[in-house]
Order: sequence, then C-alpha cells, then structure tokens
Amino acid sequence: DQQVKQNSPSLSVQEGRISILNCDYTNSMFDYFLWYKKYPAEGPTFLISISSIKDKNEDGRFTVFLNKSAKHLSLHIVPSQPGDSAVYFCAARTGTYKYIFGTGTRLKVLA
Amino acid sequence: DAGVIQSPRHEVTEMGQEVTLRCKPISGHDYLFWYRQTMMRGLELLIYFNNNVPIDDSGMPEDRFSAKMPNASFSTLKIQPSEPRDSAVYFCASSRMRANVLTFGAGSRLTVL
Repeated sequence: DQQVKQNSPSLSVQEGRISILNCDYTNSMFDYFLWYKKYPAEGPTFLISISSIKDKNEDGRFTVFLNKSAKHLSLHIVPSQPGDSAVYFCAARTGTYKYIFGTGTRLKVLA
Repeated sequence: DAGVIQSPRHEVTEMGQEVTLRCKPISGHDYLFWYRQTMMRGLELLIYFNNNVPIDDSGMPEDRFSAKMPNASFSTLKIQPSEPRDSAVYFCASSRMRANVLTFGAGSRLTVL
C-alpha cells in the first residue's frame, strides 16, 4: 500500500525549460510535504517543503504546489539546469512525525 | 556538525551471514529513521525512533531484521541471517521535532551474495 506515489520513473527536459515532477498521496491526514534530491552514491538532501495549510511555496528556481482536494503535489523547476539532473523523491509526514517517501523520479536535464 | 554518519559505506557478505549497519545521528536530534532504497519501492521506511524508543517498526520486512538505539548517539540495524534479496542501500536519517526536515546519512550499500 504505497501511500505516496510518483508515477513517472523518469523525465527528460531541455536546459532552460521547466521541469514538473508530480506526486500523489492517499492519506488526507498528512500534515507536511517535502521534496528531496538525490545524487548517485550520496544521501538524499532536502530541497523544499510545504505545510498542508498552504498551497504554494517558492524558493528560488523551485516551487512546490499542493492540491489537497486532488491529493496531489508537484515540484516545478524553472529554469532547469544540467546540475538539476538527479533522482527526486517526494515525502509526506504524519502527525506522529513518520515520513513516508515515494519511489522517486529520475530527472535528466539535457544541455 | 559532521552530519549523520553511517558505517560501513559498503558491505559485501555471503548469504546466511549476520550484517550490522551503524548510524550516529546529529547531536540534539530526537528522531532517528532507517530507510531502505530499492528500485521497486523507492525509499522504504523500516523503523523509526523517538528519544531512543521505537515508535513504528511496521516496515521491518521480517524477523530477520532488528534495530536498536541504546543511546541518543547510536543506532544499529541488524540482519540475521542475510539473504540476497536484502541487497540494497540502507539510509539512516535524523530530525528534531518541529524541524520539519530529515537529514540523511550517505548510506550503506549492502550486497549479499
């Protein structure tokens, strides 16, 4: 029972264009959502987050959107850069501080 | 701070052997998590602790897996006996309550032959 789903295993985008990574969840009790970025042979690193009481959070080139009615989360990267090529994980947190991650989306930004 | 420290970084062992993975969380963090990364399931939560007490171990796959946190600065994940399907990268992460973020270690890559 995958509570957090990333249905696109991979995504390729041209440098300078927008990258949109999607995430769906099933548990309406999640109170916080996060995106992590992972390079090979390294641990995941925190990218951006959003509380369940908000619908948008922006940090530089990265914006996270939350649609609670659809139980859908998305990460927008504008403009995309070759250094953004990595695996991106979305995560959701329960009220008991349990963090559940998705299966990841591999982003490749083409120069 | 040195971050979350995991050891060993790589472990190759034979089926049936005992494997112990170690984690030192960030000082002052009161939550510790063990995750396993596989292609099929992504980052799968195995168990997490709060103030050294296991809160939820429902993700531990079988009785062959066990985890302990004897004090605030050390945790182990043990697999006994190991099997080839346990081959994966195991991550430890720590957090402070209300910090709203996990900090991960670099991971331990386990290969069971």
